[in-house]
Amino acid sequence: DVKVTQSSRYLVKRTGEKVFLECVQDMDHENMFWYRQDPGLGLRLIYFSYDVKMKEKGDIPEGYSVSREKKERFSLILESASTNQTSMYLCASSRGRLGYEQFFGPGTRLTVL
Amino acid sequence: QKEVEQNSGPLSVPEGAIASLNCTYSDRVSQSFFWYRQYSGKSPELIMSIYSNGDKEDGRFTAQLNKASQYVSLLIRDSQPSDSATYLCAVHCPPNTGGFKTIFGAGTRLFVKA
Repeated sequence: DVKVTQSSRYLVKRTGEKVFLECVQDMDHENMFWYRQDPGLGLRLIYFSYDVKMKEKGDIPEGYSVSREKKERFSLILESASTNQTSMYLCASSRGRLGYEQFFGPGTRLTVL
Repeated sequence: QKEVEQNSGPLSVPEGAIASLNCTYSDRVSQSFFWYRQYSGKSPELIMSIYSNGDKEDGRFTAQLNKASQYVSLLIRDSQPSDSATYLCAVHCPPNTGGFKTIFGAGTRLFVKA
């Protein structure tokens, strides 16, 4: 069965803290994605990766960085968390060429105080 | 700016009726189309993908694609209260000078009344 897992379901951090969100997929997918989802704004792509050590900026990369050292693992880093980064963060993966269906993890609801 | 438009709803249908969800997209050369279901507080779950013009059926779900009209729809037959969720339309755009990615609509909220 397709499986994407995320390190935390809920996370509370303080302004200025460095935050790590981790995503692991067990489907041997080439592509991995990080989105944030906010009411009224829908899903917005932060970063994606189509291969190990490769990364591409999405629509809203500012304030975020990513790391993909292994095929199955894609990390999202908030270098200095701010209150406007309070959101639901969703990781997804897909196989092969970009354009195939994406499978999502359960999401991490991050609150920055 | 590539766009995927959906009516935010809520769309309310009685149990047993057909629910019709619609989506339009702006990029004429889009190639892949997806419907996701998202329950409140949960992550999106893929329910249908469609790549060519026409209809694709899977159980109670039918996806319809019309590339000439840049329109994709999802029909849910015999709607059940458990179908109450937000349905996201997603469209994949091929490579161009702006890069390539999947664009998600904001979603349509569906309520199925028992």
